[in-house]
Amino acid sequence: NAGVTQTPKFQVLKTGQSMTLQCAQDMNHNSMYWYRQDPGMGLRLIYYSASEGTTDKGEVPNGYNVSRLNKREFSLRLESAAPSQTSVYFCASSPVGTGANEQYFGPGTRLTVT
Amino acid sequence: QKEVEQNSGPLSVPEGAIASLNCTYSDRGSQSFFWYRQYSGKSPELIMSIYSNGDKEDGRFTAQLNKASQYVSLLIRDSQPSDSATYLCAGAGYSSASKIIFGSGTRLSIRP
Repeated sequence: NAGVTQTPKFQVLKTGQSMTLQCAQDMNHNSMYWYRQDPGMGLRLIYYSASEGTTDKGEVPNGYNVSRLNKREFSLRLESAAPSQTSVYFCASSPVGTGANEQYFGPGTRLTVT
Repeated sequence: QKEVEQNSGPLSVPEGAIASLNCTYSDRGSQSFFWYRQYSGKSPELIMSIYSNGDKEDGRFTAQLNKASQYVSLLIRDSQPSDSATYLCAGAGYSSASKIIFGSGTRLSIRP
């Protein structure tokens, strides 16, 4: 099992450019999440998908969109990147039932917007 | 605002000693709690989950939960240099659709 995978690992964008961060999990988990992590701010939830076909806003959704493509894949799109979106982005997934909310994280994408 | 509070540290502990990490939470509706370890430049890794009041032990790790005091702790016995990392505390409701609230983490340093 690869667990949770994310692409790309690193990305540099210019202000105004767009990009999509990809996430996939092979653990048959129902729920998937996108977080950003900034120094001193901890993990902040951007969007989450409790199950295939549903998405909901988290704490900091402005400037982002998401797509739950199928049960395995959950993508995060920046339509017009801004320097404030420079951060490390983590995707996570969690099962339902026993162990619900135990989240398993991907390796992260380090994004710099200049 | 539902919050999970942790001392940012750094907490410095000698090798072989017990490291004690603490966390408080404001939402009385929180039912499940988690400790994640995050090495510098890496992603968070789940190390303990606790759902009931009391202690839960797993190897050198013990998680403690006191819902009346809204307090969660993690004890690491026989601390090793490899335990040096940032430890994130998190809380959530029972529902699988619940959002987890993370603390900002405590940086732990184990000195040889």
